[in-house]
Amino acid sequence: QLQLQESGPGLVKPSETLSLTCTVSNGSISSSPYCSDWIRQPPGKGLEWIGTFCHTGNSYYNPSLRSRVTISVDTSKKQSSLKVTSVTAADTAVYYCARRVGMRDYFDYTGQGTLVTVSS
Amino acid sequence: QSVLTQPPSVSAAPGQRVTISCSGTNSDIGDHYVSWYQQFPGTAPKLLIYDNDNRPSGIPDRFSGSKSGTSATLGITGLQTGDEADYYCATWDNILIGMTFGGGTKLTVL
Repeated sequence: QLQLQESGPGLVKPSETLSLTCTVSNGSISSSPYCSDWIRQPPGKGLEWIGTFCHTGNSYYNPSLRSRVTISVDTSKKQSSLKVTSVTAADTAVYYCARRVGMRDYFDYTGQGTLVTVSS
Repeated sequence: QSVLTQPPSVSAAPGQRVTISCSGTNSDIGDHYVSWYQQFPGTAPKLLIYDNDNRPSGIPDRFSGSKSGTSATLGITGLQTGDEADYYCATWDNILIGMTFGGGTKLTVL
């Protein structure tokens, strides 16, 4: 069964860059028809889609975050990476990586999530 | 503010049936498949329904999904206290050019 594990700093200072890695085991996120997505959830709030990197090489981002977000996939390492620049307290959230089935657009596997707090 | 509209909360007694609605537009639900997720506090969301009305293996047939036009519905029959969770709908949005979630619905089993 596919497993996704997020990793990265749990505390980031305001104005700095948040960097997270999602490591994949027992499967693939980079072959057709899959996409590697990132989702976040601020404390006590709902799910927010951050963006995606697909097997086609295409990437799409939430318009509200597009100027600050980059998602990439390293197929050799079986990892997906998320970078969010110029973070503020509003970026404090649990961050999830997820595999999305392209064209049918559902998340069949999701990592356990990692809490990132933005604070000085 | 979510593109997809869900009721903030629903409640019902054990054993009863409940439905959770998800309302969108022709640019999202009306043009794409809908999926549903169940999330318990402190845990990751879990896929319940995909392609509008399909259940992944291991999901009981008490859970069902449907879609009509620009709206989708999650149904849960034979409610159990263990079903108390937050439920989210999701689909692709042609205007955002990305995935979008509903605001989530908290299910309480009285």
